[in-house]
Order: sequence, then C-alpha cells, then structure tokens
Amino acid sequence: DGGITQSPKYLFRKEGQNVTLSCEQNLNHDAMYWYRQDPGQGLRLIYYSQIVNDFQKGDIAEGYSVSREKKESFPLTVTSAQKNPTAFYLCASKTAATRANEKLLFGSGTQLSVL
Amino acid sequence: GENVEQHPSTLSVQEGDSAVIKCTYSDSASNYFPWYKQELGKGPQLIIDIRSNVGEKKDQRIAVTLNKTAKHFSLHITETQPEDSAVYFCAALPHTGGFKTIFGAGTRLFVKA
Repeated sequence: DGGITQSPKYLFRKEGQNVTLSCEQNLNHDAMYWYRQDPGQGLRLIYYSQIVNDFQKGDIAEGYSVSREKKESFPLTVTSAQKNPTAFYLCASKTAATRANEKLLFGSGTQLSVL
Repeated sequence: GENVEQHPSTLSVQEGDSAVIKCTYSDSASNYFPWYKQELGKGPQLIIDIRSNVGEKKDQRIAVTLNKTAKHFSLHITETQPEDSAVYFCAALPHTGGFKTIFGAGTRLFVKA
C-alpha cells in the first residue's frame, strides 16, 4: 500500500542536541511538507519542497533544517537553535505543488519532547 | 498573505444532533477549501473539500458550504456519532503564493453518547 511513513513515533531531545525526524513516501509525490502542531494553534508550515534538491522555508523555519536528496525522502532536523522544540511534527505530501487542488496526505506524526 | 480563522475551538453535542464549524478567510484569491479530521495521535485526513466555483457539497452526513462574497465556509455534520469525536481543521489554498495550505486553529468536537 502507498503511504507516508514517519519515524520515530516518539522522540526525546536533550539540551543542545540535534535530532532528525524521518519522512518517507512511496506515492511518487513531487511535493513534501513539514508542519508543526502545538495545542490550540493549528498546523504551522516549517519547510516545503516542490522537487528533489529544492526546498523553501515556511512560516517558522528558524531552528530547523531539511534536505531533499531523493524524491521519496524529506528528513527534518531540529537543531539546538530551536529553543522550544516540544511539539507534534507532521509530514505531508501531494502530487505536485503546481496542482493547487490536490489534497495533502499526512503521515502519522512524531511527538518530540525535551528531556 | 492568507489567514484562516476557525470557530468554535471546542464543540460538544449530543449523539444524533448536528454540529457546525465555521471558518473565514482573508485572501479573495483562495480557491480551494479542504476540511481535515484528526483523531488522537494520528495525522489529519481529508474528509471533504470544496472549490470556489461551487456553493455547497455533500457526502453522506457531511456537507460544506461556501460563501465567496463573505469569505465564509462551514462544515456541517448531521446525525453525529461518537466516532465523529476528533479535531477538525479547515484550510484555504491561495491560487498563488507557492500553494501553501493555510490551516485554521482547529475545533475539538465531542459527541456525547
């Protein structure tokens, strides 16, 4: 079955540590997205990528980094510069960023907490 | 840029009653309005969407209405069931601007048996 896989489901970060969240899709989707979810604040866009080897900052990119070396993979690194990383992180994809009406498909999320 | 406001933040209804969630958007160029349902510990899933050339769309117990003039759109759930309990997000997709989906803050719906 095609889908989006996020791992791990739960992740703990120590002070000053970088951690990487994995997102893999086998849907042949061009566009991939990372959202952060905090209680009561909806979904905020961190980074997005429309094509391999290209990505753009979203609304809250500070303290995060991404790469898009393969079409299937869009890992997110939460760096030590992100001072409030505790949140639920969601990866999403869709067929092509230029097809505005295509629905987003989401992974099951990663809950990141600070030790 | 686009801004989406969603009300109420929490909604509690008795099983069998109807539930209505309302959203407003700011960018008149937005032309696609999806609704997502998120169950606890899971990612959101699309449940219904509407395009700006349509005023209403129904899918069984779920309907969405769009008023382009007032920049309002609403989700209506009839004959609610306990499994409808979840967080619901409205969203808007501007026609320009990199096709970034802008989400409302969410509505937590409780359906009491």
